[in-house]
Amino acid sequence: RKEVEQDPGPFNVPEGATVAFNCTYSNSASQSFFWYRQDCRKEPKLLMSVYSSGNEDGRFTAQLNRASQYISLLIRDSKLSDSATYLCVVRQPGGYNKLIFGAGTRLAVHP
Amino acid sequence: NAGVTQTPKFQVLKTGQSMTLQCAQDMNHNSMYWYRQDPGMGLRLIYYSASEGTTDKGEVPNGYNVSRLNKREFSLRLESAAPSQTSVYFCASSGGTAREKLFFGSGTQLSVL
Repeated sequence: RKEVEQDPGPFNVPEGATVAFNCTYSNSASQSFFWYRQDCRKEPKLLMSVYSSGNEDGRFTAQLNRASQYISLLIRDSKLSDSATYLCVVRQPGGYNKLIFGAGTRLAVHP
Repeated sequence: NAGVTQTPKFQVLKTGQSMTLQCAQDMNHNSMYWYRQDPGMGLRLIYYSASEGTTDKGEVPNGYNVSRLNKREFSLRLESAAPSQTSVYFCASSGGTAREKLFFGSGTQLSVL
């Protein structure tokens, strides 16, 4: 079983739609959670951290469910510019900044 | 406002050849990393350097060596390239209290024939 699992997609949605991605992680001792965004053939960039209480940044909402070991990302009012791959990232205990990346969920927003 | 600069962007090698990927950051970050990204897989950590003068193995270090030349620079060397090392390589850095926020270079597409 992969340490961090994501549905690879693609999720094809029209502009204005609401779309949600889930990510599951296997290590219950995982400490911190993040969503990174990666555009085609580009480097990943931090989109947002995920807090236990859930957090929102504009059209993006992230949730954490520790009991079920998953995190989610909700995008409202999708824009064409949201088309990208979304990487779920989990920080695990260890002597260094041990970040485990999921393989990503691809989102394609069409007109 | 360069951030993390990584060279080269593309490279084709023959099996057995050697090469060094260069990485430099201008954000005064303590920590630097080398990842590889393969289709259908998440980024995997090859080596990292928590601070100047230290380096440690990540998940997939076999076939690679690294050098933390100074605080700014962290290079990755392939001594004898193999087709299994065909991948996209990313250098990253982080620092301060937000150490989970990685700043990535633009990547190197490496093909080993």
